[in-house]
Amino acid sequence: QTVVTQEPSFSVSPGGTVTLTCGLNSGSVSTTHKTSWYQQTPGQAPRTLVYSTNARSSGVPNRFSGSIVGNKAALTITGAQADDESDYYCVLYMGSGIWVFGGGTKLTVL
Amino acid sequence: QVTLWESGPALVKSTQTLTLTCTFSGFSLTTNDLCVAWIRQPPGKALEWLALIGWDDRKSYTTSLKTRFSISKDTSKNQVVLTMTNMDPVDTATYYCTRIRYGDYDFDYWGPGTLVTVSS
Repeated sequence: QTVVTQEPSFSVSPGGTVTLTCGLNSGSVSTTHKTSWYQQTPGQAPRTLVYSTNARSSGVPNRFSGSIVGNKAALTITGAQADDESDYYCVLYMGSGIWVFGGGTKLTVL
Repeated sequence: QVTLWESGPALVKSTQTLTLTCTFSGFSLTTNDLCVAWIRQPPGKALEWLALIGWDDRKSYTTSLKTRFSISKDTSKNQVVLTMTNMDPVDTATYYCTRIRYGDYDFDYWGPGTLVTVSS
């Protein structure tokens, strides 16, 4: 069974840089997985930050960037702000029309 | 302007069948590369991708639950219907429908979600 792994929680200081990762329980994440990253605040539907590994969604600040780091996908937030405190989810395309979400990372800015 | 919204019962009983409807506007499911997917989120838990139907009527389902799901579309009504059989309290979740475009692989528009509670 495919399991997509994310850090359950992360903390960053205001103005700091944080890298959240998205891995696979078996194998490496590559650009073929077309990783997308979503930000979700309580009671709201998720919104896209990054899609297809490193394409920033319209209107998303350029402090958010996506990449592949080692064998994982990564979302880097440079210059974290208080309103970046949210849940972050990655999702991988596994082929054959199937996607799998990660377990999400709760980011605290303090 | 693209919008999607989910409708269906807020409460179902164990073993019953759940039928959810996604009604959308601002795009057509006859357009190449466009798809509608269902994603759910149990209270306080992670998102889970469930099923997808494409412009070409291709369908896909999450492996672990595929025997319980059926997805269909009515392009004349701009609707996608998800049916889940044998509901269980663990299926209690907010159910979202979303649009995705092959090529971008981005769930770019989401409905507000509908909370479905399954009672035992």
